[in-house]
Amino acid sequence: NAGVMQNPRHLVRRRGQEARLRCSPMKGHSHVYWYRQLPEEGLKFMVYLQKENIIDESGMPKERFSAEFPKEGPSILRIQQVVRGDSAAYFCASSPQASFGGELFFGEGSRLTVL
Amino acid sequence: AQKVTQAQTEISVVEKEDVTLDCVYETRDTTYYLFWYKQPPSGELVFLIRRNSFDEQNEISGRYSWNFQKSTSSFNFTITASQVVDSAVYFCALSESGSEKLVFGKGTKLTVNP
Repeated sequence: NAGVMQNPRHLVRRRGQEARLRCSPMKGHSHVYWYRQLPEEGLKFMVYLQKENIIDESGMPKERFSAEFPKEGPSILRIQQVVRGDSAAYFCASSPQASFGGELFFGEGSRLTVL
Repeated sequence: AQKVTQAQTEISVVEKEDVTLDCVYETRDTTYYLFWYKQPPSGELVFLIRRNSFDEQNEISGRYSWNFQKSTSSFNFTITASQVVDSAVYFCALSESGSEKLVFGKGTKLTVNP
């Protein structure tokens, strides 16, 4: 869905570097979700944020990963000291309200390759 | 525990054939939602349908139809008279009551050949 903008679309990092992935939700949407898609796998939930709040981060790895959704600006998923296993497609989705049962609007994803 | 199984990893058909994508789910909740998403080669996820656990009516939308059967915990998706543009990876997903998370199956890659 073109309304959710993710950048960069493709990112290459060497082991040990930092990766920052950005997500601008659809206009009027204040709920953001990050999912990770490993090769040959389905999408796995990582974190759910509302403006300035992390609501559910139960899917986030305990170390090196963090997410924020500031009052102004896009949501950012940050991966520090990347390793090869972080290579994946990271999808952002947004909704105008809590999503249970509702449609999530997904971006086109950011594909991270760790060399 | 919630789980979604799409047993078919890849399916290949010839244009105009009908094709059914299987989805079996597990949940202990009585209130839940089921979804289908399409991921074309361009990579984005496109919402196709949502069904709540209290509505077992089958749904038809053009060439697409969905068969929800609680007795077998299945939510199958049929494309009638397939077209090349239907080539994509299709994901089935589950959302339980009170949860913001979608649990996805591993997807079925459909290739429709001309």
